[in-house]
Amino acid sequence: DVKVTQSSRYLVKRTGEKVFLECVQDMDHENMFWYRQDPGLGLRLIYFSYDVKMKEKGDIPEGYSVSREKKERFSLILESASTNQTSMYLCASSLLGYEQYFGPGTRLTVT
Amino acid sequence: GIQVEQSPPDLILQEGANSTLRCNFSDSVNNLQWFHQNPWGQLINLFYIPSGTKQNGRLSATTVATERYSLLYISSSQTTDSGVYFCAVDPGGKLIFGQGTTLQVKP
Repeated sequence: DVKVTQSSRYLVKRTGEKVFLECVQDMDHENMFWYRQDPGLGLRLIYFSYDVKMKEKGDIPEGYSVSREKKERFSLILESASTNQTSMYLCASSLLGYEQYFGPGTRLTVT
Repeated sequence: GIQVEQSPPDLILQEGANSTLRCNFSDSVNNLQWFHQNPWGQLINLFYIPSGTKQNGRLSATTVATERYSLLYISSSQTTDSGVYFCAVDPGGKLIFGQGTTLQVKP
């Protein structure tokens, strides 16, 4: 079975802090994705990566950056957290052109 | 960009009832997935179905790619089926999600 894990289920941070969200997959997938989910706005793609050290902007990349130093790990970075980044963050991975598998999600609250 | 519309937005059923959820999309897609989001927020893969029909227990799905829609059937619903069901399409490398159907199954 495909397994995608995320470093925290719940996270509370202060405004202005640097925040790291980690995602690890164990199926040697080339593609990895970060989404955020907000009531009324649905799921939106922040960044994705097709290979190590490769990244592409999604629909809402502002305020975020990513890092992919190893194939199995994809990190989402909030350089200076703001209250409007309070959200549910979901990581996913896939083989190119095939179904995406999601992690359990991280509920981030920025106060 | 491609639009994905799900209907109905909300659905309330009695346990044991059957239901059909619909997903319409506005352009050709490479792939289509159905997910169930559980109460803890995780997206559970139900079907990967770019075309044709698949069945998994009480759930089945049909995608008619030429007419740009997909249907998810839930038979003999159970309270554990409650949650949000998402359709997502892949026009080329990334998923576009519908707004979801919120299903509540009452005992």
